Amino acid sequence: DAKTTQPNSMESNEEEPVHLPCNHSTISGTDYIHWYRQLPSQGPEYVIHGLTSNVNNRMASLAIAEDRKSSTLILHRATLRDAAVYYCILRDVGGSQGNLIFGKGTKLSVKP
Amino acid sequence: NAGVMQNPRHLVRRRGQEARLRCSPMKGHSHVYWYRQLPEEGLKFMVYLQKENIIDESGMPKERFSAEFPKEGPSILRIQQVVRGDSAAYFCASSRPRGTQYFGPGTRLLVL
Repeated sequence: DAKTTQPNSMESNEEEPVHLPCNHSTISGTDYIHWYRQLPSQGPEYVIHGLTSNVNNRMASLAIAEDRKSSTLILHRATLRDAAVYYCILRDVGGSQGNLIFGKGTKLSVKP
Repeated sequence: NAGVMQNPRHLVRRRGQEARLRCSPMKGHSHVYWYRQLPEEGLKFMVYLQKENIIDESGMPKERFSAEFPKEGPSILRIQQVVRGDSAAYFCASSRPRGTQYFGPGTRLLVL
């Protein structure tokens, strides 16, 4: 799996939008972009994934650059419950469908 | 529709004892993955299994660790003769073939 680069930490105010960036300049054509988050003392939670087009679900939106070398996870209105470490992971669905490679992620703090 | 279940949630062992961690995948999921998270570190892949088969064990320590996913029943991660360095959170994930991985709440192992 190709490498991703994320900021170590970000801060947000409650009820404001949050844009979490991820760079993946070596992404291949068959790599999907996955986002997971891990709340304190919990297992990773799937957030969203996409290939080329922007994606929306009840948790978040995923904006993917046209060249696919970067993407942004958007939380439209941050809540205190969104404080977590967010991981951007590339996964080749054309391959053996094995493990996810977790980097250090971005630790999001949400201030009331 | 129950999610991935892991038990026990907390396990305390003395050095030299055996630890058995169980993982029941989501209904309809035939693929199981085990990850380990050492204190203050990221998640690291250990092993990927399908029913009765180990697909990828490249992340498993060469000694004392083993995993199985029998035809019936949960997947088991077994650690023999535990040492203090085995203290960590162990997470299981499951998926359909080529599907998104969903994680359980983890088992926190403490070796005294």
